[in-house]
Amino acid sequence: QQPVQSPQAVILREGEDAVINCSSSKALYSVHWYRQKHGEAPVFLMILLKGGEQKGHEKISASFNEKKQQSSLYLTASQLSYSGTYFCALNQGGKLIFGQGTELSVKP
Amino acid sequence: NAGVTQTPKFQVLKTGQSMTLQCAQDMNHEYMSWYRQDPGMGLRLIHYSVGAGITDQGEVPNGYNVSRSTTEDFPLRLLSAAPSQTSVYFCASSWQGSSYEQYFGPGTRLTVT
Repeated sequence: QQPVQSPQAVILREGEDAVINCSSSKALYSVHWYRQKHGEAPVFLMILLKGGEQKGHEKISASFNEKKQQSSLYLTASQLSYSGTYFCALNQGGKLIFGQGTELSVKP
Repeated sequence: NAGVTQTPKFQVLKTGQSMTLQCAQDMNHEYMSWYRQDPGMGLRLIHYSVGAGITDQGEVPNGYNVSRSTTEDFPLRLLSAAPSQTSVYFCASSWQGSSYEQYFGPGTRLTVT
């Protein structure tokens, strides 16, 4: 079952912060986050593993709440380059199930 | 390394035609997947493979076939194209050692008329 992302879209000014949430009805073992620019392929940002280990991006952080079956992506002091669609994906033994995406627009 | 390559980049088909989308990777990854992307739907898994000779269905497998005869190649076959298969198709590879981080190809934009 597809994870649910919220919000569906967000508009920011440069320097503002944003949080994107990802919820699942199934138990989470690891969560991936990807960003996709218009017309391009998705690019890996981060993996959160059960137990709290986090691997990935320097300026973007994330949390993983196993009890709530939820992950959140935190973008702080946003830059124009952060614009794009963000996807979470649940790892189910090597196959990934993606959420529907959150479109982020950063304006000058 | 070329990474993950896909051909063609664009394709227009008539309803009922068949074709194969090609995908290859040179990273020796054991896992390969096919996704389709439609507006507002995110990426949906069509088929995936955990190694040569082993494939399994994803979320939306109907109308598509796959095979994996080598580690490098994972072609996706459309048996009888339908307008509902108009989409952008992405191939991806991964390996267990990187927690299945997906390396995506550039995509194929398919239109079925």
